[in-house]
This record gives sequence, structure tokens and C-alpha cells, in this order.
Amino acid sequence: QQPVQSPQAVILREGEDAVINCSSSKALYSVHWYRQKHGEAPVFLMILLKGGEQKGHEKISASFNEKKQQSSLYLTASQLSYSGTYFCGTEGWNNDMRFGAGTRLTVKP
Amino acid sequence: DTEVTQTPKHLVMGMTNKKSLKCEQHMGHRAMYWYKQKAKKPPELMFVYSYEKLSINESVPSRFSPECPNSSLLNLHLHALQPEDSALYLCASSQGGGGTDTQYFGPGTRLTVL
Repeated sequence: QQPVQSPQAVILREGEDAVINCSSSKALYSVHWYRQKHGEAPVFLMILLKGGEQKGHEKISASFNEKKQQSSLYLTASQLSYSGTYFCGTEGWNNDMRFGAGTRLTVKP
Repeated sequence: DTEVTQTPKHLVMGMTNKKSLKCEQHMGHRAMYWYKQKAKKPPELMFVYSYEKLSINESVPSRFSPECPNSSLLNLHLHALQPEDSALYLCASSQGGGGTDTQYFGPGTRLTVL
């Protein structure tokens, strides 16, 4: 089942912060965050695992509430290069990744 | 090296053609994936191979036929496609399984069916 992402779109000025949320109705092994720019493949940002382990990007942080089956991605001091569509992906034990509908982030000068 | 390569980059085919998409990785990953992505939509899982065995087939029509000849290669054979199959086809790989490994995506093949 597809996770639910919010908001659908965000417009920021450079230097502003943003939070993107992801929730699932099923038990999760992990939550993955990707950014995709127009015409390109998704690029890995962060993976959050049950038990609190995180692996990923230096300037982007995320949280994973296992009990609530929710994750949030925190983008601080945004840069123009942060523009793109952010997808959360939730994965069960058998590699069945499901992506949320995406959040389109636009950073303006 | 975290590179997944895909060929061709672009493919235009008629509804009666047979073609194949190719994906390759040399990271020693044992899980490989095919996704389909339509414009302004998220990637949609089609197939998963784990240790060269097909482990997930998301009810994909038989006109799409996956093949994993060895642990580094993944093919997607196409036959008698429909115009609505036009999309970006993404390949990905991950270390193993269990839902805790990063998936690395290739650049994709943009397919147009006429």
C-alpha cells in the first residue's frame, strides 16, 4: 500500500526550512527518502531503519516514528539545488518498495 | 562506485516490435528491480529479483518479461506493447534484501510506444 506524503508542493526562498511528512498504514522495516529532478533518476538521500539507525545525507535530517509509522524529512537552510520532487519509500521485509505521490519543492532566490 | 547503467537511454517502438531494455551493476548487489514511472507520478514497482530469482511480480502484463542472466545483469523484454506503456523505465539494485538496504537507481530508459 502506497504511503501518504504531505504537503503536495512547497515553495521556499533560499535559506528557509521545510518539513515533508510521510505516513503508512502498514508496519515498516524502513523508510527511504529520494529526490528526483526533472528528467533524471531518483537520487538516494536517507534511509531510516527500525531501531533508530539512519544512513544518509549530511545536510538533510529525518525522523522515523516506528509506533506511528511516520517519517519526516527536514530540509534546513534550503539552497537552490534542493529543488525537485521528494519521494518517501516504504519497504517491507521482501524488498517491495512503495513510493508516496511525491512533494514538489521549489526554492527561489 | 554506486553506478547502475541502463541501455538504451531512449527507445521508440511500434506495437508489433520486440525490444529489450538492459541494466547492469557491478557493486556486488544481489537484489535488482524494475520500476515504471509515468510523468508526474512516483516510480511503480514491477519486478524484483533476489539472488537471481524472481521474488516479486506486481501483476505486470505478460507483454513485459524480465530476465536475470546473472547477478550483475537484468533485462526487460518487451513485446506487443501498447501506447499506454510509454514511460520512463528505471532499474535499481540493492545489496541484499530484508527491506533495509539502499536502492540505487539507474538513469532510466525513456520508452515511447507508437
